[in-house]
Amino acid sequence: GEDVEQSLFLSVREGDSSVINCTYTDSSSTYLYWYKQEPGAGLQLLTYIFSNMDMKQDQRLTVLLNKKDKHLSLRIADTQTGDSAIYFCAESETGNQFYFGTGTSLTVIP
Amino acid sequence: DTGVSQDPRHKITKRGQNVTFRCDPISEHNRLYWYRQTLGQGPEFLTYFQNEAQLEKSRLLSDRFSAERPKGSFSTWEIQRTEQGDSAMYLCASSRDRGHGTIYFGEGSWLTVV
Repeated sequence: GEDVEQSLFLSVREGDSSVINCTYTDSSSTYLYWYKQEPGAGLQLLTYIFSNMDMKQDQRLTVLLNKKDKHLSLRIADTQTGDSAIYFCAESETGNQFYFGTGTSLTVIP
Repeated sequence: DTGVSQDPRHKITKRGQNVTFRCDPISEHNRLYWYRQTLGQGPEFLTYFQNEAQLEKSRLLSDRFSAERPKGSFSTWEIQRTEQGDSAMYLCASSRDRGHGTIYFGEGSWLTVV
């Protein structure tokens, strides 16, 4: 289960909501994650969701999981310029290997 | 919790030379992972350790690549006879046992092979 796809770019105005989408192919995925990467830096874990959940909310972040369609989304409310970064979706079946998408570059326009 | 630490952060080497990177995981984490990331791509799994045991290694890796975690704490990642295609960021991550499921990444070590 190694195909994780994301759109490459997203641009939003400051204060608007951002929605970053991800699709995956492995129906055995147990854990699904969102990571943030700023230029030249490592990956920062934002949030994760177990496959038996439909939604998880954590402050400005909302994760929605449609297991039937194998679709994961990350909504960032009240997007700020500091949210500009690359966002990676990742999935893991066993918690051993993690498969990442190619990342979505979010640009927040002031 | 000081986070995952990697050293050096940047390395430029000539083709054919050997390089070694070090990773110090979060202290109470049993698992340690190595990933590689090239420009415009997501991280790609290389290998992981449970304590000192290397449990899984990517089938795509040649024998030029090796990792060790001798005492179950820090780990080293070595590339022998480097090639230009090895230029990438090498990311280390750590986690508690599998049941928790979340891994925490270091800042990465950039390798440029000239």
